[in-house]
Amino acid sequence: GAGVSQSPSNKVTEKGKDVELRCDPISGHTALYWYRQSLGQGLEFLIYFQGNSAPDKSGLPSDRFSAERTGGSVSTLTIQRTQQEDSAVYLCASSGTNTEAFFGQGTRLTVV
Amino acid sequence: AQSVTQLGSHVSVSEGALVLLRCNYSSSVPPYLFWYVQYPNQGLQLLLKYTTGATLVKGINGFEAEFKKSETSFHLTKPSAHMSDAAEYFCAVTPRGYNKLIFGAGTRLAVHP
Repeated sequence: GAGVSQSPSNKVTEKGKDVELRCDPISGHTALYWYRQSLGQGLEFLIYFQGNSAPDKSGLPSDRFSAERTGGSVSTLTIQRTQQEDSAVYLCASSGTNTEAFFGQGTRLTVV
Repeated sequence: AQSVTQLGSHVSVSEGALVLLRCNYSSSVPPYLFWYVQYPNQGLQLLLKYTTGATLVKGINGFEAEFKKSETSFHLTKPSAHMSDAAEYFCAVTPRGYNKLIFGAGTRLAVHP
């Protein structure tokens, strides 16, 4: 596609439910990132995929968070047993060989 | 570990005044350097980047930044602020040889008449 696509754009879920957030990167981009942005805060790094290498999961805040990237393209971020503190905008970005990252519009997650 | 420091979480300027947003990085080997802008309720957009070559980099919307190795800095400037520049600005780095993008905490720029 023309840009990074994230779905859904908005998600409201009940506390304790699991959610899946999807990211479609720009075709051909080998790197994919997930970030979290809480209200009025900066960008918190979550996870980074680079080609076929093992992902850098150092930013995942707890074992309730996981992510996978299938076939080096689409990525899914899963949050299990959601908590109210998980409410945030989740941003996905992808980059190619020139290191510039392009961001999607984000998924706004609200846990009630 | 590589880190990025943005001095001033909030900066306020008058329309037409100089904009200066500060960014310092922590590494002995200069990384790739970026400035991103986030307008209200929108995603992040690249303003400019430095990878190699000329240390003064020009970006979109009249912004520019200068890489100063001796100061480990990459400050963002614009000679004359416009109301439409009000946004959140993020400095980011990618260590050379490792394609991970690391962000500063951001600076919220307000422009008043």
